[in-house]
This record gives sequence, structure tokens and C-alpha cells, in this order.
Amino acid sequence: GAVVSQHPSRVICKSGTSVKIECRSLDFQATTMFWYRQFPKKSLMLMATSNEGSKATYEQGVEKDKFLINHASLTLSTLTVTSAHPEDSSFYICSARGGDRVIYGYTFGSGTRLTVV
Amino acid sequence: AQTVTQSQPEMSVQEAETVTLSCTYDTSESDYYLFWYKQPPSRQMILVIRQEAYKQQNATENRFSVNFQKAAKSFSLKISDSQLGDAAMYFCGISNFGNEKLTFGTGTRLTIIP
Repeated sequence: GAVVSQHPSRVICKSGTSVKIECRSLDFQATTMFWYRQFPKKSLMLMATSNEGSKATYEQGVEKDKFLINHASLTLSTLTVTSAHPEDSSFYICSARGGDRVIYGYTFGSGTRLTVV
Repeated sequence: AQTVTQSQPEMSVQEAETVTLSCTYDTSESDYYLFWYKQPPSRQMILVIRQEAYKQQNATENRFSVNFQKAAKSFSLKISDSQLGDAAMYFCGISNFGNEKLTFGTGTRLTIIP
């Protein structure tokens, strides 16, 4: 089955620094990946759609200069939180469609818990 | 635009009993896909069941089944013979055919009572 690996699982960074989160599709090619943010006991909020070889498409209200997305290959998308602040602390999850949506649905990474101190 | 509403923030059920989680949605598209995902305490999102909107037959996966009412834009999840391992947050989601974005509702926290 389709597997998505997300790294790191936890990261603590100082306020003002940048942190990069990687999302890899291990056994399939993903032209499109998605980045979500989840607050404690809340739903997953779609932040952006990552398109291989082109610019990401951001949802309304998401700062594209703060959340930089790069999808340089068919198996790797990265989310960089720039100049992180404590309010950026959250759980970030990536996902990709591993083939036909009906058969495979969307596969999710295991998430990254970001804490900005 | 697509939206999903889950009106039950929390539900509980006795072990071995049946529970139904509600979901309504809105979309301007005629072709779309509907999903139920489960998020246990590990926070890993796990696909429970999916449904193509053009299929009238309700999807079934072992103890999990859906009641898909397209005209009413309703997509409820029924869990039969509830087990302790079913305890989790359940998210209903929609993805339009031409747009791959998967949008979720606010979730329902399911507690299984031993």
C-alpha cells in the first residue's frame, strides 16, 4: 500500500529561526501533496497544495512567505516555517494521493509536532 | 467550494453495540468522493471507508458502513460491534473530482465504554 513518511516527528526551535519538515512518498510518485495544520483537539486545516515542479497553492489566510513549500521531486515535498514564533507551534501533517482516490484514498504522514520556544 | 459539517463533537457507545456518526457536506460539484478517516491518540490518520458520489450503493468495510444520501448531502458512518480499538477522532472529508483537495469536518470524538 501507499506509504508517506514525514520527518521529523517532533522539533523544538527557538523563536525567530526556521524549521524544515519533509514529506516523502516511499512507494509511489506523488505529483500533488497536501499540508495540513492541526491545533489540539481540532480538525485538520488545509494549508496548501504542493505541486511538483510548480508553485504551491495556498489556502486563504495562510501566509505563503511564512510557510514555504517546495515540491522538487515526485517523492518529496518540504514545508519550511520561516521566522517561527510561538503561535506557529502546532501539529503539521502532510498527505498524498497514492493512486486512484477510490482505491487508496489519501495517505497521511505521521505528523510533526512543532514547538517554538 | 466544499464544506463538511460534523454536528456531534463527542459520542460514546457501549462495547459491542452500534453507533452512527453524522456528516453533512456541501459542494457545487456533481462528481466527488467522500471519506471517513480515523485519528487515534497516535494522531496517525487512517482511512476507514470511502465512497464515490456517483455510486448509489453504500460502501461497506467489515464492521464499518455508510449511509450515503446524495440528495440530502449526508454521509453518516455506522460502526457495528464496537471495539475498544475504535476509540478515536473520526473525520468526514470530501474531495471534488476535478480538485484533489481533501476538506475535513471538525471531527467526532468516539469513546468506547467497556
